[in-house]
Amino acid sequence: LAKTTQPISMDSYEGQEVNITCSHNNIATNDYITWYQQFPSQGPRFIIQGYKTKVTNEVASLFIPADRKSSTLSLPRVSLSDTAVYYCLVGDIYSSASKIIFGSGTRLSIRP
Amino acid sequence: EAGVTQFPSHSVIEKGQTVTLRCDPISGHDNLYWYRRVMGKEIKFLLHFVKESKQDESGMPNNRFLAERTGGTYSTLKVQPAELEDSGVYFCASSHRDPGTGIEKLFFGSGTQLSVL
Repeated sequence: LAKTTQPISMDSYEGQEVNITCSHNNIATNDYITWYQQFPSQGPRFIIQGYKTKVTNEVASLFIPADRKSSTLSLPRVSLSDTAVYYCLVGDIYSSASKIIFGSGTRLSIRP
Repeated sequence: EAGVTQFPSHSVIEKGQTVTLRCDPISGHDNLYWYRRVMGKEIKFLLHFVKESKQDESGMPNNRFLAERTGGTYSTLKVQPAELEDSGVYFCASSHRDPGTGIEKLFFGSGTQLSVL
């Protein structure tokens, strides 16, 4: 199982772009990367998922370099409502989510 | 489309009592997972159902925990008898695989906050 390392916390301001980087040095060939967002008193919510290069959806972008040993979640023009904990997870395409390890996540705080 | 629902949202019980948590997955999702976060700790896997079958229960703490998924629809997680260390937030998730990539995508419920006094 690939272990992930991400910053414990980050601060930013409304309207800024926020980039959260996750390290996964032991990522395997069949592993993919998923980011979840969690608000207080709620379960984690899927944000974005990818295997390599760049993935973009309506809420975020995910950048994965060629060696795939890290990934960066990019949140454009954050607002106060983006204050949450963000988890970077690595999982095997052919295994179930029972093998996914939730780390401590990154606690993102957005200020006015 | 309704999401994953969990009931109750909060439960406060005394040590030695029994509590049953319920999870209704998204309709059509064969995979159902239970996770738990104990205060100050990370979210940990408890068990995995595929339809009504237990696929992996390696994360269950001990035999005081019993999970069922009769008929492959909703699932229950019973704790009997509850101990102080069982306090935490219990999350349920169901999943499907993206038809294009084959990658599994989890959908979580809001969790049940269990407090054992």
